[in-house]
Amino acid sequence: KQEVTQIPAALSVPEGENLVLNCSFTDSAIYNLQWFRQDPGKGLTSLLLIQSSQREQTSGRLNASLDKSSGRSTLYIAASQPGDSATYLCAVKETSGSRLTFGEGTQLTVNP
Amino acid sequence: DGGITQSPKYLFRKEGQNVTLSCEQNLNHDAMYWYRQDPGQGLRLIYYSQIVNDFQKGDIAEGYSVSREKKESFPLTVTSAQKNPTAFYLCASRTAGSTDTQYFGPGTRLTVL
Repeated sequence: KQEVTQIPAALSVPEGENLVLNCSFTDSAIYNLQWFRQDPGKGLTSLLLIQSSQREQTSGRLNASLDKSSGRSTLYIAASQPGDSATYLCAVKETSGSRLTFGEGTQLTVNP
Repeated sequence: DGGITQSPKYLFRKEGQNVTLSCEQNLNHDAMYWYRQDPGQGLRLIYYSQIVNDFQKGDIAEGYSVSREKKESFPLTVTSAQKNPTAFYLCASRTAGSTDTQYFGPGTRLTVL
């Protein structure tokens, strides 16, 4: 059974710092991996989706990488801002079927 | 305005009652999902449906039931058999294709009194 782990569980940084969030998964037979953002009491917003054949995806200050063989993905946030404060979740889609398996998330706080 | 709507935003239930959470989408998506989120945890899949009149159990289906009579609608009933229903419930839908991303509704917070 696929298991997804995110480290750290919580992170607090001063504004302007570059930071890395980590995601690991146990079964490398994935179809794609997504990073989501969740604000308190809200639904999830998709940030980046990396197909299994890709190594990275970029959107603005966000860059996500995927190393399928080692079962790892990182989300890099450049020049963090207080508006980046949220919980970030990664999820993998398995090759067979259409379900996503989520990690527990990293709660990020960016202090002004 | 396309998207996914969930209602109500907050729901209170007495023990022993069944309640139904609504999820509607106008994105013309075929697949729809229900997740449960507990504090400090990720999302766990309750049920999903890839097509009208068909649905499959997820990881934590016990105590829940769903129907998919229309493409746009995927209601979730939390029955009295669900031992610990207090949680945040999220509905999502997906389009097949190259992007293959899931779009989420705003969620319903259910509290058992």
